[in-house]
Amino acid sequence: AQSVTQPDARVTVSEGASLQLRCKYSYFGTPYLFWYVQYPRQGLQLLLKYYPGDPVVQGVNGFEAEFSKSNSSFHLRKASVHWSDWAVYFCAVRGTNTGKLTFGDGTVLTVKP
Amino acid sequence: DPKIIQKPKYLVAVTGSEKILICEQYLGHNAMYWYRQSAKKPLEFMFSYSYQKLMDNQTASSRFQPQSSKKNHLDLQITALKPDDSATYFCASSHWYQDTQYFGPGTRLLVL
Repeated sequence: AQSVTQPDARVTVSEGASLQLRCKYSYFGTPYLFWYVQYPRQGLQLLLKYYPGDPVVQGVNGFEAEFSKSNSSFHLRKASVHWSDWAVYFCAVRGTNTGKLTFGDGTVLTVKP
Repeated sequence: DPKIIQKPKYLVAVTGSEKILICEQYLGHNAMYWYRQSAKKPLEFMFSYSYQKLMDNQTASSRFQPQSSKKNHLDLQITALKPDDSATYFCASSHWYQDTQYFGPGTRLLVL
């Protein structure tokens, strides 16, 4: 079975500060990993995806994530947060033999001025 | 222009009634999916279709029936509605099955 844990329900950062949102996955095999963002009352938008290869992947709007097989993690980072990054961030995993995405509970990011 | 259209945007229904949620994608994708997001549970996978054939079904209740009349359509029929069905239902699509999924804006369903 595949699962995702996002240990931080809420994260608050100051505008211009760096950001890390944590994601731990569970999957026996090679996972495909994703970060999606959900702005208020909108659908999910893809930020970035990891397919087996380079462990550091670049996404949109300055986001990047690093895959670690030893830590079963796929943490999301951004060097300098902007107020428009205020949203809910979801980490998701998909196995190799299914189309099913399994999501974490999400992390609410609040940006202080 | 939106590439994945979900209709209606908001829907209010009475307990016991039946509703159909519409999803159309104009991305030329061959696989489509339904997910549900409620206050009690995180985003939950429901169904996946590839070339109009059911691939995965994670919904225990037969009250939820996907309907694919065209390649770029995957509607969701919900019968005998219950208040617990209140949620936002998201449609997604991907170029092919097991490819990266892109989500529609969702239909917010409230069952009274």
